[in-house]
Amino acid sequence: AQTVTQSQPEMSVQEAETVTLSCTYDTSENNYYLFWYKQPPSRQMILVIRQEAYKQQNATENRFSVNFQKAAKSFSLKISDSQLGDTAMYFCAFMKRYYGGSQGNLIFGKGTKLSVKP
Amino acid sequence: DSGVTQTPKHLITATGQRVTLRCSPRSGDLSVYWYQQSLDQGLQFLIQYYNGEERAKGNILERFSAQQFPDLHSELNLSSLELGDSALYFCASSVAGRDPWNGYTFGSGTRLTVV
Repeated sequence: AQTVTQSQPEMSVQEAETVTLSCTYDTSENNYYLFWYKQPPSRQMILVIRQEAYKQQNATENRFSVNFQKAAKSFSLKISDSQLGDTAMYFCAFMKRYYGGSQGNLIFGKGTKLSVKP
Repeated sequence: DSGVTQTPKHLITATGQRVTLRCSPRSGDLSVYWYQQSLDQGLQFLIQYYNGEERAKGNILERFSAQQFPDLHSELNLSSLELGDSALYFCASSVAGRDPWNGYTFGSGTRLTVV
């Protein structure tokens, strides 16, 4: 069974600074996807960034980037130029990719509560 | 608006009662997933339906059941409710069979409070 671990229950960062959220996962699979989701106080789950395991290049979406280390089973999220609106719970998630591209279910870590301070 | 609609947004009910949560997936999405988010357990996968058929089961209690209808909307039925069932219940949808690159689209959730 796959597991996802986020070892930082809470973090804080000053506005405009950079912060890195950690995530490790355990799997025997070779073909999978990794995601970071953001959950602001509104409780909506919002996709931040995603990574395909077979791609070595780290994904980037504007101020958000990941450091994907497949051998180490590590998938950290870096937020640059932090903004007040980045205050939220951040969840790391794993999804097995089945043959033919069909989808498995998302397995989530317990989350990291990020506070961006003015 | 994500395109996934969940109703009701809030629900307060007494222990021992039964409730039904409803989810309409995003247009074109065939798969529906149900998740439970509680404070101590995080986001737990409950069950997946694909085009009307149960596809995968997670940590779903026997008191809970779900189904997906021909119009692809889904309902999650929770019965003999206990205080510990109080949680945020999410529905998500996706276009199964294609590249899951975009993952899921989540609804805004139903907040269930059992008193």
